[in-house]
Amino acid sequence: EVQLLESGGGLVQPGGSLRLSCVVSGFTFSRYDMSWVRQAPGRGLEWVSYISGSGDNTYYADSVKGRFTVSRDNSKNTLYLQMDSLRAEDTAIYYCLNADWFDPWGQGTLVTVSS
Amino acid sequence: DVVMTQSPLSLPVTLGQPASISCKSSQSLVHSDGNTYLNWFQQRPGQSPRRLIYKVSNRDSGVPDRFSGSGSGTDFTLKISRVEAEDVGVYYCMQGSDWPPWTFGQGTNIEIK
Repeated sequence: EVQLLESGGGLVQPGGSLRLSCVVSGFTFSRYDMSWVRQAPGRGLEWVSYISGSGDNTYYADSVKGRFTVSRDNSKNTLYLQMDSLRAEDTAIYYCLNADWFDPWGQGTLVTVSS
Repeated sequence: DVVMTQSPLSLPVTLGQPASISCKSSQSLVHSDGNTYLNWFQQRPGQSPRRLIYKVSNRDSGVPDRFSGSGSGTDFTLKISRVEAEDVGVYYCMQGSDWPPWTFGQGTNIEIK
């Protein structure tokens, strides 16, 4: 059974940083590209970032480019999202997903950017 | 970027009646490999999204057969043949044919009349 467990969210002040983690099980992690998708309170779904299976290629939404960094540790089956210079509009639930399937979705981790 | 436009954004439905959601893309979603990467997701209140349909018309495991997806090119439809109470929620289409970025529709809120 495929499982994705996101963690690392919390309350942070504007301009602050957070590092999200996502531990994956149920498939050969290193073989698959991964993405982060977020959902602001009461809003729709927004793709945030992508990383290839090897970690060599990354892409970002324009809204986070230059502030967020996606990485992975294939030895630990773990995906990361380093979020710097956080803004109020980054407040959202963040989900990690297999970028080939976009399924299943975990519970996500809530990031709140507020003073 | 491919823009995904859903309609309607709100859909009140009577139990047992059909429902239909339209999703239009700003460009053809036919990939160079011949596939069309158009997914549909359901998000029930208070829950994470769940994929219902992949590659236009393929139902995921456990998805009731009252759900069906169709379409081609730039026009796609999700149909529910007879709406049940558990179908209440927001439905999103998403394209994975031309990335980055992967793009979602705005969402359609299905509620019971």
